[in-house]
Amino acid sequence: NAGVTQTPKFRILKIGQSMTLQCTQDMNHNYMYWYRQDPGMGLKLIYYSVGAGITDKGEVPNGYNVSRSTTEDFPLRLELAAPSQTSVYFCASSYGGTSGGVPYEQYFGPGTRLTVT
Amino acid sequence: GQNIDQPTEMTATEGAIVQINCTYQTSGFNGLFWYQQHAGEAPTFLSYNVLDGLEEKGRFSSFLSRSKGYSYLLLKELQMKDSASYLCAVMDSNYQLIWGAGTKLIIKP
Repeated sequence: NAGVTQTPKFRILKIGQSMTLQCTQDMNHNYMYWYRQDPGMGLKLIYYSVGAGITDKGEVPNGYNVSRSTTEDFPLRLELAAPSQTSVYFCASSYGGTSGGVPYEQYFGPGTRLTVT
Repeated sequence: GQNIDQPTEMTATEGAIVQINCTYQTSGFNGLFWYQQHAGEAPTFLSYNVLDGLEEKGRFSSFLSRSKGYSYLLLKELQMKDSASYLCAVMDSNYQLIWGAGTKLIIKP
């Protein structure tokens, strides 16, 4: 199992450009999440999904969009990049409920370090 | 509002014991998680508490008091590789994780 994979690892964008951050998980988890992590701050939830075709806003959704067409993939789209979107972005997945393990334990991808200049 | 508080930074000596505290105020409670995050890496799961009391897992233990809105992570026999940030997160009534800012633990030889 590869777990949660994210691409790219690093990216520099100019103000106003757009890009898609890719996230894939091979654990058949129904829940997927996108977070951003700024220095000295906790993880902030951008969007989450409880299953294919279902997405919902988190705490900081402005400037982002998501889609969930399959169980495995949960891409995050940045439209009109702004310097305030400079951050580290983490994708995570979990099994919603109990499966003999820790309920809702989240597994994280390696992150994408994005700089907008 | 929802709030998770933990110290910003702590320093400890190799071989010693350190306790990292976390206090929380959230809308609902469905468990408390501790994650470890090494610099430049993703968070990894350490422990989960949903009932009051102590959960022990090797050198790491986690305690929860729901009535006090309080948890701590206890690390024993500290090793240099334990230098990392430790993130406290509470699962709220919507089963979403509310994250603290993390405690950076520095281990000195």
